[in-house]
Amino acid sequence: QLHLQESGPGLVKPSETLSLTCTVSGGSISSASYYWGWIRQPPGKGLEWIGSIYYTGSTSYYHSLQSRVTISVDTSNNQFSLKLSSVTAADTAVYYCARLLATGEGGGYGDYWGQGTLVTVSS
Amino acid sequence: DIVMTQSPDSLAVSLGERATINCKSSQSILYNSNNKNFLAWYQQKPGQPPKLLIYWASTRESGVPDRFSGNESGTDFTLTISSLQAEDVAVYYCHQYYSLPRTFGQGTKLEIK
Repeated sequence: QLHLQESGPGLVKPSETLSLTCTVSGGSISSASYYWGWIRQPPGKGLEWIGSIYYTGSTSYYHSLQSRVTISVDTSNNQFSLKLSSVTAADTAVYYCARLLATGEGGGYGDYWGQGTLVTVSS
Repeated sequence: DIVMTQSPDSLAVSLGERATINCKSSQSILYNSNNKNFLAWYQQKPGQPPKLLIYWASTRESGVPDRFSGNESGTDFTLTISSLQAEDVAVYYCHQYYSLPRTFGQGTKLEIK
């Protein structure tokens, strides 16, 4: 059974960089059948796609975040990571990692999700 | 960006009755080469991640009860729960994976009447 687990600081100061890692267990992150994505959900609001990565390192980002986002993959440790720079209170959200079916560039629907981690941006 | 608009924003249905949630895409999400709509439905309960229910607009994910079904007509999509159970109380989201950026509907909150 595939399992995804997000990890990282729950509190980040404004203007600093949010860094999260998703550890994948029970399956290989190097499978050609999947992309790996980050989705966030501000408290009480809906879902927002941040971006995704293929095991080759090919990335796709939400254009409104593109200047601040970096997603990377570490196939040797079966992990992928999110960095979001220059954060503000608007970046406060539950951040989910997910496995996305490789339906096309950027990945498709998410069939496995992590439990999510709340990141609060506050001084 | 493709805008996904769900209706209604909230819905109250009696146990055992039918619940229908609508989703409309701002443009076609049909890929002509395989004649599939790139549309998924998720269920999210409080404090939990989204759970995949339906993909390709009408294909039920393994393990999802058959009371959940998805339908499609052009750029209009529906998620139907044929006989509402107490455990179906949740927020439901549609999601297009046809083009970048991927986008979600705003969510529909389903409650028991």
